[in-house]
Amino acid sequence: QVQLVESGGGVVQPGTSLRLSCAASGFSINNYAMHWVRQAPGKGLEWVAVIWYDGLNKYYADSLKGRITISRDNSRNTVHLQVNSLRAEDTAVYYCSRDGGQIGFDYWGQGALVTVSS
Amino acid sequence: QSALTQPPSASGSPGQSVTISCTGTSSDFGGYNDVSWYQQHPGKAPKLMIYEVNKRPSGVPDRFSGSKSGNTASLTVSGLQAEDEADYFCNSYAGSHSWVFGGGTKLTVL
Repeated sequence: QVQLVESGGGVVQPGTSLRLSCAASGFSINNYAMHWVRQAPGKGLEWVAVIWYDGLNKYYADSLKGRITISRDNSRNTVHLQVNSLRAEDTAVYYCSRDGGQIGFDYWGQGALVTVSS
Repeated sequence: QSALTQPPSASGSPGQSVTISCTGTSSDFGGYNDVSWYQQHPGKAPKLMIYEVNKRPSGVPDRFSGSKSGNTASLTVSGLQAEDEADYFCNSYAGSHSWVFGGGTKLTVL
């Protein structure tokens, strides 16, 4: 069955960088665009970034552009999100999600909690 | 990329129907039918409930239905059950390879 498992979260200091990973199983990410979505504590969902199935096209939320990079390793069936210059307001659960095309965000991981604190 | 507007809360008694609205602008909703709805129980990942405005993925009860008129989409939950108590988020493709979510609605089953 389709599974997405995020890793790489934790407590980090302001100004540092973090790399999150999302390991997919049950399908090949070669055939799908993949997203990152985050949710600050007690808040709503915020779309963060998407990477096309071939990895050639990447798009980012305006609020984070310049500080984040999405990438994928199709050989490892894994998607990554690098976040730089972390701020307190980046504290959130970061989810990866599969883009089902017209179907929407059809599968989600359990999320990785990132806490930015000194 | 402003968030879509949802009421913060909604409620209904078991067996009743509740409708949750989601309002955008012509730049996100207006030109697209890529509207989807997600259910999220506390501490859990979101779950796709409705896509393309009014289609249900396999396994989602037909008590859940969606619609859209102009710049407002709606999710209706009929025959409310205790397990429907959750947060609900709408989502739309917003053009220029970006997506936008609503602020979320907490549905309480009284």
